[in-house]
Amino acid sequence: SQQGEEDPQALSIQEGENATMNCSYKTSINNLQWYRQNSGRGLVHLILIRSNEREKHSGRLRVTLDTSKKSSSLLITASRAADTASYFCATDAERNTGFQKLVFGTGTRLLVSP
Amino acid sequence: DTGVSQDPRHKITKRGQNVTFRCDPISEHNRLYWYRQTLGQGPEFLTYFQNEAQLEKSRLLSDRFSAERPKGSFSTLEIQRTEQGDSAMYLCASSRIQRESHLYGYTFGSGTRLTVV
Repeated sequence: SQQGEEDPQALSIQEGENATMNCSYKTSINNLQWYRQNSGRGLVHLILIRSNEREKHSGRLRVTLDTSKKSSSLLITASRAADTASYFCATDAERNTGFQKLVFGTGTRLLVSP
Repeated sequence: DTGVSQDPRHKITKRGQNVTFRCDPISEHNRLYWYRQTLGQGPEFLTYFQNEAQLEKSRLLSDRFSAERPKGSFSTLEIQRTEQGDSAMYLCASSRIQRESHLYGYTFGSGTRLTVV
């Protein structure tokens, strides 16, 4: 089962614009991660934010985390056509036993037009 | 290191046949995961290994599915008596040991796309 949902399900923008994707989740987490997936390919890790962090940057990516609302957002600034992909958030909720697994959201399909 | 490798990339099989997929993780990663992804959905967890021990299996993993990781290196996922509902992308991922895992994400392979006809 999916941990949560992402919003919007699909997003279409022009090159140079910013893209914002939101993720909501259900349980307490250790960290939240964002992944990118090009069509028919595997997932690529973009950025990880820990539960005690509120904001993190990596290049043109900015991630925020609000644990009180159980939500996160991914902002891609100055988007490029090459950013066209599906973006997934994934939560890492480690159990007391130490077992760790990622639970993925439903994804946002981003289309950046030249 | 070339990352996580999966083989084959694509597999078309007839319903009722058995199929086996292989995953070669990053050599220094001792954790290995299998996920399944259907069209338009996020990946769903199937099973997880730490070294050679299979520590958890999802309820999605029926008794027709079996995974192994002999010697804690590569892993295989076998599906017996395939059904059309098994058609999906099967993704393998690996990660570092626990105390560092909060710093790094998973590294995924390119997946094996299974089509059952």
